[in-house]
Formats: sequence, C-alpha cells, structure tokens
Amino acid sequence: DTGVSQDPRHKITKRGQNVTFRCDPISEHNRLYWYRQTLGQGPEFLTYFQNEAQLEKSRLLSDRFSAERPKGSFSTLEIQRTEQGDSAMYLCASSPWGSQNTEAFFGQGTRLTVV
Amino acid sequence: DQQVKQNSPSLSVQEGRISILNCDYTNSMFDYFLWYKKYPAEGPTFLISISSIKDKNEDGRFTVFLNKSAKHLSLHIVPSQPGDSAVYFCAASRPDYTGNQFYFGTGTSLTVIP
Repeated sequence: DTGVSQDPRHKITKRGQNVTFRCDPISEHNRLYWYRQTLGQGPEFLTYFQNEAQLEKSRLLSDRFSAERPKGSFSTLEIQRTEQGDSAMYLCASSPWGSQNTEAFFGQGTRLTVV
Repeated sequence: DQQVKQNSPSLSVQEGRISILNCDYTNSMFDYFLWYKKYPAEGPTFLISISSIKDKNEDGRFTVFLNKSAKHLSLHIVPSQPGDSAVYFCAASRPDYTGNQFYFGTGTSLTVIP
C-alpha cells in the first residue's frame, strides 16, 4: 500500500451530469476526509468519516453532494446535476486511529472540469 | 471566515538562503498545526507539525515556530534548495469529539532561485 489513491485523476463532464469519484485510503487508517480546492485557495473541508460513519459535513456540501464509505474502507463522493461552480480539485485524505493529533495523508486528487 | 491566513501569496529566495513562511490563525481552540507542501497536479504532502504545548519543532532543514500569544506560526527552511519550490499550506486542527478537521490557509508559493 503506497498511499491514498483517487480515481479518476481527471474528469470532464457536461453541466447537469452526475459524477462519482472514488478514494482508497491507506489500509490501516480509519479516518477519511474529503476536501475541495479551487484555484488560489487552500483545501476546504467537505466531510469526514470515522470508519463507515459520516461524522461531520461542511455547509459547502450541498444537497447535490453525497459521500459514502459503506464498509469503512474506500469512499465515494457523488455530485449530482453538476454546475460550473463545482469545477475544482477534489482531494481525499486519511489518517490513522489513535491520537487526535496526527497528520492527514492526501491522495493526488481528482480534477473536475464542468463545461 | 478564514480561520487560517497566509498573507504572502508568493516568496522568492536565493538558493542556500533561509526561507521564512508565515501563518496566522484566529481560533484559540486550535491545538495542532501542520505545514504541507504541494506540487502542481499533486495532492498536499505533509512536511512538519507542532503541538500547541511546544513552541518549536525541527526536522532537518525545516523548523516550525509557534507563538500562541500572537496566534502566529512560521516555517523556516534553511538552507533553501531549488527542489523546495512549491506551494506551502499552513493548516490547523482543533480537538473535537468527531476527530480532527484541518483548516488550511490559502498557501504561499515559494520559488528558490538557483
């Protein structure tokens, strides 16, 4: 296991279409995060899982966004009825169980372009 | 509301000199601070961290300083190398029953000139 893996790396979609991204965290990590990054900004928190439980969601996560982590391993992020404002880099990160103070390890991201 | 701020969007430094990247935060509940490095088209890579019980943490060429009273931290890179050219993000987290949530600054683009 070499790190957090995200698929696809790039996605171009037409406005109004649905898209789904996948994230495979580091295998022993029970915490999984989704972030979004737009040009000139830092990563913005979207949602957080501890095992299969989604414990926190940002107000950035509108009703069109849904995230799942069904078996506490990989996670999916779906965006329905995409809008041009959804164009961004979507980053997944994971961190291990244990101390609260630990870094998150990021994947390479999925760059979404809505045309 | 930007709780973590990096007010310098860019910084240029000569190779071999010291690079100092600054970060300010507003939330006094933050107790853990991190620096990430990011190359284009890649995800952020963890660089160094510091707990609020410390005021300095060092790892090779990288040192992070924390001034809690000023709500300020800085990353020192010495000596700077061309491979250090990247965007650096400061991040902070707070203790929370749900676990960490990381708040990021907007980044500082460092260019190390050979």
